[in-house]
Parts: sequence; C-alpha cells; structure tokens
Amino acid sequence: NAGVTQTPKFRVLKTGQSMTLLCAQDMNHEYMYWYRQDPGMGLRLIHYSVGEGTTAKGEVPDGYNVSRLKKQNFLLGLESAAPSQTSVYFCASSGPDRGFYGYTFGSGTRLTVV
Amino acid sequence: GIQVEQSPPDLILQEGANSTLRCNFSDSVNNLQWFHQNPWGQLINLFYIPSGTKQNGRLSATTVATERYSLLYISSSQTTDSGVYFCAVEGAGGYNKLIFGAGTRLAVHP
Repeated sequence: NAGVTQTPKFRVLKTGQSMTLLCAQDMNHEYMYWYRQDPGMGLRLIHYSVGEGTTAKGEVPDGYNVSRLKKQNFLLGLESAAPSQTSVYFCASSGPDRGFYGYTFGSGTRLTVV
Repeated sequence: GIQVEQSPPDLILQEGANSTLRCNFSDSVNNLQWFHQNPWGQLINLFYIPSGTKQNGRLSATTVATERYSLLYISSSQTTDSGVYFCAVEGAGGYNKLIFGAGTRLAVHP
C-alpha cells in the first residue's frame, strides 16, 4: 500500500544516547517533514526537506539533525537525547499531486528518554 | 508568526448529533488542511481547503479566507468520529510547511 512508513514505532533511550528515526515514502513526493507532538498540543515542525539533498529548520530544530540522501527517505537524528525530547514523532510527505498538497502522515514513533 | 486557534477545545456528543468545529487564523493563507487523529494516534487528512466548500460523506468544510476562518461540519456523528481534529495552515516561507492548532477533542457516545 502506498504511504509513509516510520521505523521504529517505539523506543526508550537513556539520556545522552543517540538514535535515528527513519521515514520512507513511496508516493514520489518532493516535500517531507518531521513533526513532534507533545501531550495536549498540536504538532510542531522540527525540520523539513523540499527535495533530495535539501534540508531546512522548522519551529523547534534544536537537538535534532536530518538528512535526505534519497528522495524517498528522510532521516531524523538525535545526537544526545534529553528527557525534553520525549514525544511522539510524526513524519509526513506532500506533493503536489495534480495541484493537491495534502499531507500523508506516517503512524508515528513514540520516544521516551529516561 | 501566524497563529491558529481552534474552538471548542473539547466536545462531547451523543451518536447522531451534528457539530461544527471552528478554526481562526491570524493572517492570510494559501493552504489550509483539516486532520483527524484517531484514538490510536493515526493522523488522516480530511480536507485540503484553502478556500471554498468541500464535502466528503458526512463531513464538510468551508474556508472563508478573506475573514480568516474555516469550519468543519460533522453530521450524524458516529462513535468512530471520536478523536482529535486539527486545523493547520501554511506558515511563512511556503513549501507547504504547516502550523497546527491545538485541536478539538471530540468524544461521541453511543
């Protein structure tokens, strides 16, 4: 099925550890995004990419790095995890597909930093 | 930056009732989307609606861009409509970067 796939779905890290979240899309979308969602809040943009080899900062980029070496993949890295990075992380992609810019989201990664 | 406010924050309905959710935004936008987050956390795009009116089954949405608001209508609500509804608008700089509201949490009881 076409869509956005995130791995892993769950992860527990100790403070100071590093990890990479993987996002893959098979819709040939140019734009990809990483958001975080904290309890009772809307989503906030961490980083985004407008094409292969490009990345840019969003609203809350500190403590995260990203890479988009292939068009279909967008990686989010945490170099030294902190408890404040405990959150649910969502990846999304968008077209345009014939003028439609609607987002397709992955199923999320629940990250806990202890 | 652009501000997005949703109301009401919480809504409780009996199955079969109708409801209207509102989204106000502080500046002109080229892109507005409504999403439903189900109780399992999955985010589904309901509407891409920068202006005008669209309908999809029991759901419809209207955006009045000149007055900076959008409405989501849910008719004959069902328990499967429960979850959180988010409005999001494109932020500064384009590239379809969305700024999300805090959401409306809807609970539909049988």
